Amino acid sequence: GAVVSQHPSWVICKSGTSVKIECRSLDFQATTMFWYRQFPKQSLMLMATSNEGSKATYEQGVEKDKFLINHASLTLSTLTVTSAHPEDSSFYICSASRGELAEAFFGQGTRLTVV
Amino acid sequence: RKEVEQDPGPFNVPEGATVAFNCTYSNSASQSFFWYRQDCRKEPKLLMSVYSSGNEDGRFTAQLNRASQYISLLIRDSKLSDSATYLCVVNDQSSYKLIFGSGTRLLVRP
Repeated sequence: GAVVSQHPSWVICKSGTSVKIECRSLDFQATTMFWYRQFPKQSLMLMATSNEGSKATYEQGVEKDKFLINHASLTLSTLTVTSAHPEDSSFYICSASRGELAEAFFGQGTRLTVV
Repeated sequence: RKEVEQDPGPFNVPEGATVAFNCTYSNSASQSFFWYRQDCRKEPKLLMSVYSSGNEDGRFTAQLNRASQYISLLIRDSKLSDSATYLCVVNDQSSYKLIFGSGTRLLVRP
């Protein structure tokens, strides 16, 4: 099946620093990738839609200047959490699909802890 | 009203039991439907797609009722390894985003 790889799987950073998370589709091209955040015991919340070659589309309430998304190629999207604070600590997951109505495959997720 | 609503959990069942999860969605134009499984602190993994005619994969049966905007998942002969959170997922036709339900937690006990 399709594989989506996410890196790093976990990261601890100091408050005020920035963290970059990578999401790669390994065996297919993805014009669109999605970034989610999940807090403990809660469901996945879509943060933004990453579009190859154009600006990302952010969900309501998600600060685009804080969560920078770059989708420079058909196989790579990056999420940068800028000036991270403890409340940004969460599980961040990306996904990609082969087609618009197809099932999504998820990266392994990145557990971010800001201290 | 949430776009995708699921049964509140947790479901606590003995091994070998049959358990059913329900899900309703609000957008009648939705076209694709899925059940995902998520283990604790892991990413969701596709369990099965849901087709209009209903589909079965081993002990798992999924059904879709478009008229009632209702999706179900039936698990027969529950195993301890079935313990997880089951997510009902609907593909939004206009934006092609996946809309997730809040999940139903299943605990299978010995």
